[in-house]
Amino acid sequence: DQQVKQNSPSLSVQEGRISILNCDYTNSMFDYFLWYKKYPAEGPTFLISISSIKDKNEDGRFTVFLNKSAKHLSLHIVPSQPGDSAVYFCAASSAGNNRKLIWGLGTSLAVNP
Amino acid sequence: ETGVTQSPTHLIKTRGQQVTLRCSSQSGHNTVSWYQQALGQGPQFIFQYYREEENGRGNFPPRFSGLQFPNYSSELNVNALELDDSALYLCASSLVGQGIGELFFGEGSRLTVL
Repeated sequence: DQQVKQNSPSLSVQEGRISILNCDYTNSMFDYFLWYKKYPAEGPTFLISISSIKDKNEDGRFTVFLNKSAKHLSLHIVPSQPGDSAVYFCAASSAGNNRKLIWGLGTSLAVNP
Repeated sequence: ETGVTQSPTHLIKTRGQQVTLRCSSQSGHNTVSWYQQALGQGPQFIFQYYREEENGRGNFPPRFSGLQFPNYSSELNVNALELDDSALYLCASSLVGQGIGELFFGEGSRLTVL
């Protein structure tokens, strides 16, 4: 039972345009959400996070939006750069679950020059 | 500050054997978590150690065990290896009280079980 779902295995975007990566979750107890980026042969790298008390968090080119009623979050990358090409994982945690992270399957983003 | 390092980076074992994977946490971090990432999947939480005690465990059988040492380095031990144990094993360190879920990962140890 996949509690965190990333329904798009891959996404291709032109350099300079916006990349939108989506994530849905089923567990209403999740109260903290994170995005990680993973390059081949490297471990995941933390990118940005959002608490359930907010609906938006922005860090440079990266913005995460949270829609709690829809149990949906999205990561926007503007403008996209070729170096952003990686696998992006959405992860969620709850205080009642000892803060262990539950991960989606990932979305492979390709930014084309 | 040094990052998270894992060893070995690759290894091959046969069914029934035992394996020990090692992790050196990022300097100053007191919590270590281990994750299993099978091909095409997201990381799955195995367990977490804080101050040398296990303080959280995922849905993994007891043949997956761990240790955290006073210097915050850690080991993951897997006994009686099965073919399905073939995966990338990721170690992540963090500092309690700083950044919920902001884990710092090593490059991983890729285990192949034949």
